[in-house]
Amino acid sequence: QVQLVQSGAEVKQPGASVKLSCKASGYTFTTYTLHWVRQAPGQRLEWVGWLNPGNGNTRYSQKFQGRVAVSRDTSANTAYMELTSLRSEDTAVYYCARATWAKDFDFWGQGTLVTVSS
Amino acid sequence: QSALTQPASVSGSPGQSITLSCTGSSSDVGGYDYVSWYQQHPGKAPKLMIYEVTKRPSGVPARFSGSRSGNTASLTISGLQPEDEADYYCNSYTSSSSYVFGTGTKVTVL
Repeated sequence: QVQLVQSGAEVKQPGASVKLSCKASGYTFTTYTLHWVRQAPGQRLEWVGWLNPGNGNTRYSQKFQGRVAVSRDTSANTAYMELTSLRSEDTAVYYCARATWAKDFDFWGQGTLVTVSS
Repeated sequence: QSALTQPASVSGSPGQSITLSCTGSSSDVGGYDYVSWYQQHPGKAPKLMIYEVTKRPSGVPARFSGSRSGNTASLTISGLQPEDEADYYCNSYTSSSSYVFGTGTKVTVL
């Protein structure tokens, strides 16, 4: 069965960076794009960016351009998202999600809480 | 990219039908058939309920249906059940090869 398992909660100081992981299993990792979506406490879902694990291509929301980088390790079936220059507004649960060819998100990770606080 | 516009809350009694709207533009909702809907219960990851505007994934009850008119997509829940109480988000692919979520609607079952 398809599973996306994310890394554990992180606490970071303002200005620091965080790198989250998302390990995929139950399907061929390189044949579906992987997306990152975040949700601040009590707020809406917000699309961050996506990765094509097959060729490494990425695309990011303009809001995060320059501060986010998504990468992958195909040998480990794992995708990563690094967010730099953290500020308090980046406190959120970050989800990875698999996208189908129909551009919907059919499987989601359990989410990783990132807390930015001094 | 601004968020798609959804009503903040919609409520209904068990058995009733309710419709949630999702308004965008010709650059997203109105321009592509890649509109999807997600249900999210508190503390849980979102769950795909509708994809490609009108299609239901296997396992999603038939009381959930999707439609679109112009730049507004809609999710209808026919025969509301207590377990349908949750937040609902629409999502669309956009002309800039990105994605945008809606502002979210809280559904309350009275």
